[in-house]
Amino acid sequence: DGGITQSPKYLFRKEGQNVTLSCEQNLNHDAMYWYRQDPGQGLRLIYYSQIVNDFQKGDIAEGYSVSREKKESFPLTVTSAQKNPTAFYLCASSVGTEGTTQYFGPGTRLLVL
Amino acid sequence: QKEVEQNSGPLSVPEGAIASLNCTYSDRGSQSFFWYRQYSGKSPELIMFIYSNGDKEDGRFTAQLNKASQYVSLLIRDSQPSDSATYLCAVNMNQGAQKLVFGQGTRLTINP
Repeated sequence: DGGITQSPKYLFRKEGQNVTLSCEQNLNHDAMYWYRQDPGQGLRLIYYSQIVNDFQKGDIAEGYSVSREKKESFPLTVTSAQKNPTAFYLCASSVGTEGTTQYFGPGTRLLVL
Repeated sequence: QKEVEQNSGPLSVPEGAIASLNCTYSDRGSQSFFWYRQYSGKSPELIMFIYSNGDKEDGRFTAQLNKASQYVSLLIRDSQPSDSATYLCAVNMNQGAQKLVFGQGTRLTINP
């Protein structure tokens, strides 16, 4: 059963804490992406990766970090430098990069305690 | 000017009617265009994509692209209450990698 999984579904962060959101895909897609969605807003790109061991900053990368050590995994760390982390985080993947469709995981909702 | 603009709505349409959703974009070099549907609290799911000028039909959905005027639209025929959702327009702005720029979404409500 192919798809994209994200965990956890809900995540709570305390002040000054780093948290890591998981994203795994078994679609054999080369490219993976992280987006942030705030209430009533569209999606904003945080980071993307076109190939293993390589990734690029998106439009709002400050306060976030990623790694791409395996093709199927693209974890996102929300660091303590991200002062307003409360949002819905969406991971996506696509077969390639030029004009191909992105498919989304179910999302992780991050809340600050 | 926002790169991708949509009317945030809400757009209210009676059941069985045609819902028309519009999106304009700023980059004339944009190559591919996507419509996603997002139910409240859920992740976006792909409805349609379109690359060429003209119409593309898939069941009750029709995407229309006019590159000269820089707009793309989505028509939903025979609207059903289950079509009530937020519809996101996304544009690949020809920036090399597959970087999609999303509009803020249009909230659509189908009234029985």
